[in-house]
Amino acid sequence: GAGVSQSPSNKVTEKGKDVELRCDPISGHTALYWYRQSLGQGLEFLIYFQGNSAPDKSGLPSDRFSAERTGGSVSTLTIQRTQQEDSAVYLCASSLDRYSYEQYFGPGTRLTVT
Amino acid sequence: QKEVEQDPGPLSVPEGAIVSLNCTYSNSAFQYFMWYRQYSRKGPELLMYTYSSGNKEDGRFTAQVDKSSKYISLFIRDSQPSDSATYLCAMRSNSGANNLFFGTGTRLTVIP
Repeated sequence: GAGVSQSPSNKVTEKGKDVELRCDPISGHTALYWYRQSLGQGLEFLIYFQGNSAPDKSGLPSDRFSAERTGGSVSTLTIQRTQQEDSAVYLCASSLDRYSYEQYFGPGTRLTVT
Repeated sequence: QKEVEQDPGPLSVPEGAIVSLNCTYSNSAFQYFMWYRQYSRKGPELLMYTYSSGNKEDGRFTAQVDKSSKYISLFIRDSQPSDSATYLCAMRSNSGANNLFFGTGTRLTVIP
C-alpha cells in the first residue's frame, strides 16, 4: 500500500518568507509526528497528533512554527518568517495509534533558507 | 547533555566484516529501543525493535539492550555493500506522546 508522502520534496525560500510543508500519512493511521533532521543533530521531535485530541506541541522550537491536521489525515507544518537556522530536512511519520512502536517515515522535505 | 548519544562515525569496513554500532542514553524511563536505517535522501525505515533488556536476532542483524548500563548495540554480520547507510538508534518511554528520541546516526560504508 501507499506509504507516507510529503511535499514538496525540496523547498528553497528567502529569509523572512513563510513556508508550508505537507504530509499525507498512511491511511488509517491515527498518530502523526513531525521531526526535523539537521546536519549532525539527528532527528528532533517537533509535534504529535493523535486522532482528534489536542496536539502535543512540546517540541516546537519557537512560535514561528505551527501545524495542523485536518480531518485526522493530512497535516501541514507552517514556518513563518523563516530563518537560516530553519534549514533542515523535515520528516513526517505516522503510526497505527499512540501505542504502536513502529513509526513509518516519509521521504522528507529538504528546506533551504537563503 | 543529549538524552541519546551515538558515535557519528563515519565507519568504513570491508565486505564481510562484523559491524558494531552503539548508543548510550540517560533516561531510565525508556522502554522501547529501535534501530532505523536511512539511505541517502530517504526517510528512516525500522530495522530492529526491542522491548526492555535483552537480545533480538533477525538474519544478519542482532540488537542488544542493556538497561542497567543504559547501552544498546546493533551488530551486523557478514556486512554487504547494500548495508551502506546511516544507522539511527531511537528509543521512547511508555507514556506521553510516545515520540522517539534519536541518536545522531552513524554513517556506515561497506567496501566491496
